[in-house]
Parts: sequence; C-alpha cells; structure tokens
Amino acid sequence: DIQLTQSPSFLSASVGDRVTITCRASQGISSYLAWYQQKPGKAPKLLIYAASTLQSGVPSRFSGSGSGTEFTLTISSLQPEDFATYYCQQLNSYPPTFGQGTRLEIK
Amino acid sequence: QVQLVQSGAEVKKPGASVKVSCKASGYTFTSYYMHWVRQAPGQGLEWMGIINPSGGSTSYAQKLQGRVTMTRDTSTSTVYMELSSLRSEDTAVYYCARAFGGWGLDYWGQGTLVTVSS
Repeated sequence: DIQLTQSPSFLSASVGDRVTITCRASQGISSYLAWYQQKPGKAPKLLIYAASTLQSGVPSRFSGSGSGTEFTLTISSLQPEDFATYYCQQLNSYPPTFGQGTRLEIK
Repeated sequence: QVQLVQSGAEVKKPGASVKVSCKASGYTFTSYYMHWVRQAPGQGLEWMGIINPSGGSTSYAQKLQGRVTMTRDTSTSTVYMELSSLRSEDTAVYYCARAFGGWGLDYWGQGTLVTVSS
C-alpha cells in the first residue's frame, strides 16, 4: 500500500496567515492526489483534486501543487472558517489511502 | 442537487453484524462508483472499499476482506455496507462517498455512527 505522510500533524496559526501543509507519498502517484477539509462532527469536503485543481465552490485562497511524491496545500490568507483538519488522499492505486491528517488551530 | 442520505446510528454487541444504507439522489445512480470510508473516534480516515452501482462489482480493503460486503439496489438508488463479526475496534462513523472519476470523493453522506459494545 502507498503510505502518505502529512506534515505538520498540528499547526497553530492566526487569521490572515499563509499556511502550507505537505503530503509525501511513499512512491510516485503522478497527480492522483486530493485534499479534504473536515470540521468536527461533519463529513470531509473535497477541496482540491488532481493535485492542483480547485473543486467547484471552494474559495481561491486554497491552492494545491506537486506531483510524483511531494504535494502541498496552501491557504493564502486564513479565515476563521478554515480552522479544521485537512487530509490528503492518493487515488493512483488501490487501496486509495489517506494521510494521517493535519489539525489547524487558531493561535 | 446531489444528496447521499445514510441510515441512523446503530449499537451492536461484539460478534454481531451491522448493515448501513446510503440512498443517493440528484444524479444518475449507476454512473458513479461509491466508496465507503470510516473514522474511529478521534482518528483519521480509513478507506473500506468501493462498489460499482452499475454492475455491482466491488473491491475491499485487505484488512476487512471476509467481513465486509457492499451491495446495491438500483431500484431505490441505494448502496449498502454490511460488516460482520463486529469488534470494539469497529466503533466508528461510517461514510459513503461518491467517486469523482478517479480523482477524489466529491459528495459524502452525513455519516452513521456504529458503536460496538457489550
């Protein structure tokens, strides 16, 4: 199975900050990477697919980049509603594994 | 609008089985694969398996092979996930999620809490 390692696991930041979350794959996955946001008690929400394509309706302050084994999710200017847990998922091969998550909290 | 509505919370004893339903609406049911993902309390997301609602073919996570069965009913646009021989470690919120081609999971059900306790 392909392992995905997110860093950091925990991030404390302030409204207006620019933050970056990294997702590293144990082997190459081309651009078959998705990012999700999950708030407490809610289902995950797809933010980005194909590593860098913004899902419809997702604010443009979210962006994704990378290919192969290293990927990043960037939030350009944190808003109060962005404090949540973020997961990456690879869909290059089965099983489609998830990263362990990055919890983003308000400083 | 696309909606995935799951069945309600369940409490089961160890060794029992549970069957969770996920009713789809707002799109052509047979045109999109459906995944099942679970999340134990305070933990991350775990992929369980996928079903093709058109032909019914399935693929399961290796650790759940032999205990999980995914089925569908095209007449009601509903997919089902049945997990048998339940143990405490199966306590989790179970989600169905529509596959967006091979690129991600674009719509999710609201989740079904399954509690396994004696």
